[in-house]
Amino acid sequence: DAGVIQSPRHEVTEMGQEVTLRCKLISGHNSLFWYRQTMMRGLELLIYFNNNVPIDDSGMPEDRFSAKMPNASFSTLKIQPSEPRDSAVYFCASSGGTKNIQYFGAGTRLSVL
Amino acid sequence: DAKTTQPPSMDCAEGRAANLPCNHSTISGNEYVYWYRQIHSQGPQYIIHGLKNNETNEMASLIITEDRKSSTLILPHATLRDTAVYYCIVRAGNQAGTALIFGKGTTLSVSS
Repeated sequence: DAGVIQSPRHEVTEMGQEVTLRCKLISGHNSLFWYRQTMMRGLELLIYFNNNVPIDDSGMPEDRFSAKMPNASFSTLKIQPSEPRDSAVYFCASSGGTKNIQYFGAGTRLSVL
Repeated sequence: DAKTTQPPSMDCAEGRAANLPCNHSTISGNEYVYWYRQIHSQGPQYIIHGLKNNETNEMASLIITEDRKSSTLILPHATLRDTAVYYCIVRAGNQAGTALIFGKGTTLSVSS
């Protein structure tokens, strides 16, 4: 398996633009997690899904952020409109199976100018 | 807030064992101890986890005290590639889809 795949790896955009981050889960996994990492706040959980259903979105900063799972193997995280303070590395992770270990993607480094 | 306490940094000589401590004095009976590491600019990587028995895999060993209030991750022969931030996390059970709450971790520096 190729592991969790995130795209793009790097994104540079201007303030006010819409940004869409993408994540492909490991085949057979049924839980999906979005995290954000900054120097100031470390690794923070934004939202997670079980079987395509959002379970906890309390970490989503504000209404400008939205996440979806259009199918069991794919998720998007959208920021609209983007702001400079959204600049961070965004990770997704998936888990499943009996040990329920979370495996992380390589991340998307977002820079909002 | 993270339920674990780790030293902010540690140093280790290449080839020696690295012993990374973690305190989790408020751990509940159904909570497991997980260790992840993050090498610079990469996503966190799973290392090992355990409930109460000591565990060993190809990457490391996990020693959990009998009262479960602390644990130690052991990298038996550290290499330069083991330089990373190591996170100790407690999480309820092996239930489906429970999130990981990351603290600040321990920055391990391995030098030659």
